[in-house]
Order: sequence, then structure tokens, then C-alpha cells
Amino acid sequence: DARVTQTPRHKVTEMGQEVTMRCQPILGHNTVFWYRQTMMQGLELLAYFRNRAPLDDSGMPKDRFSAEMPDATLATLKIQPSEPRDSAVYFCASGLVGQVNTEAFFGQGTRLTVV
Amino acid sequence: EDKVVQSPLSLVVHEGDTVTLNCSYEVTNFRSLLWYKQEKKAPTFLFMLTSSGIEKKSGRLSSILDKKELFSILNITATQTGDSAIYLCAGPFLSGTYKYIFGTGTRLKVLA
Repeated sequence: DARVTQTPRHKVTEMGQEVTMRCQPILGHNTVFWYRQTMMQGLELLAYFRNRAPLDDSGMPKDRFSAEMPDATLATLKIQPSEPRDSAVYFCASGLVGQVNTEAFFGQGTRLTVV
Repeated sequence: EDKVVQSPLSLVVHEGDTVTLNCSYEVTNFRSLLWYKQEKKAPTFLFMLTSSGIEKKSGRLSSILDKKELFSILNITATQTGDSAIYLCAGPFLSGTYKYIFGTGTRLKVLA
């Protein structure tokens, strides 16, 4: 049963610490998305990749957030330094986009709490 | 800038009621629109709509797209408490870009 896998599922950290979230997309999907969800803002698109190349990270605070895809099986989202306002659920999603488009399949999310 | 607006923001109904959720969008090059249901965890896919006027149906849920008026509706008939969730509308709107942008969602609560 193919699924998007995210780790860790929960993370509590102190302000100023570095946080790294990882995502394994579904094998064969060529597009990977990072979203942040809060009660106030809903699901915000932070960044997305096509064939491992970053296409758009305009939704991401550039000074502290970075997203990479070192290989086809791993995407990472890093926050350094973390701040309390970064507390949210971070979702990774993957999809197949091109001649045939699939929906975005979501991972279970990483619940981040910055104290 | 592409935009997705959902209404109402929240809705409380009783079991057995029928509800209609709305999604309107402003896009430059439309490709498709998606509906998701989110309970406690990750959003799960419901429908993908590409063509105007063709209803997609799954059990008590159905959805239709109007590309001329730029909106879609999601209908749920004979609601059950298990339908309580946030319903999200999204699209890969831009032709060739496929950036999935979500609306803020409609929070539905179905009372027994």
C-alpha cells in the first residue's frame, strides 16, 4: 500500500533550536509539496519540487526555512532557528503531474511545537 | 494571484440533513479542482473535477464543477456524524505549473 511517510510524527523543541522534518514520497511520483497547517491560516503551501528541482518556495520564510530534495526518496524541511510561531502541523504530499495528473497524496504530518 | 475561496467557513447540521459546500476560484489557466476531507489527520482525497457540468459521485457525496462561473459544489446527502470534518477545495490551476493551492476549508459538524 503506497503512502507518503513523514518523520518525526511529533516534535517538541526549544526556541532557537534547529528542526529537520523528513518525507519519503510515493515511489514514482514526480512532484513533492510541503504544507503548513494552522487554525488561523489553514493549509499554506511552503514549497514544492518537480523531479527534485525546487519550483516555488515563495510561501516559505527564507531567512529560517529551507527545503531540499537530496534524492528521489527523500525531501527535507529545515527550520533554523525555530520560533514559537512556527508551531504547526507540517504536511508533505506527493503526486504525479504531467500528461496524466493525480491528486496530491498526503503524509500523516509532523506536529511541531516550539516552546 | 490565484485564489480559492470556500463557504461557509463552518456549518452545524443534524444527522439526515443535506449540505452543500461551495468553492469559488480565480485562476488564469484552469486545469482541475480537487476536494479533500480532513478528519483528525491528513487530508484524504474525494474528487478531482476537470470538466464542467459532469457530476462525480461517491456514495452520499457528489460534486460538480462550473467552469463558466468559476465554482464547484460538494453535496452530502443524509449526513452522518462520521461526515464531521473539514472539507478542503484545491487546484493545480496553472497549466504547466500544477501548484496545489488550498482554500481555508469548511468545518462541518453533524450532530446526532
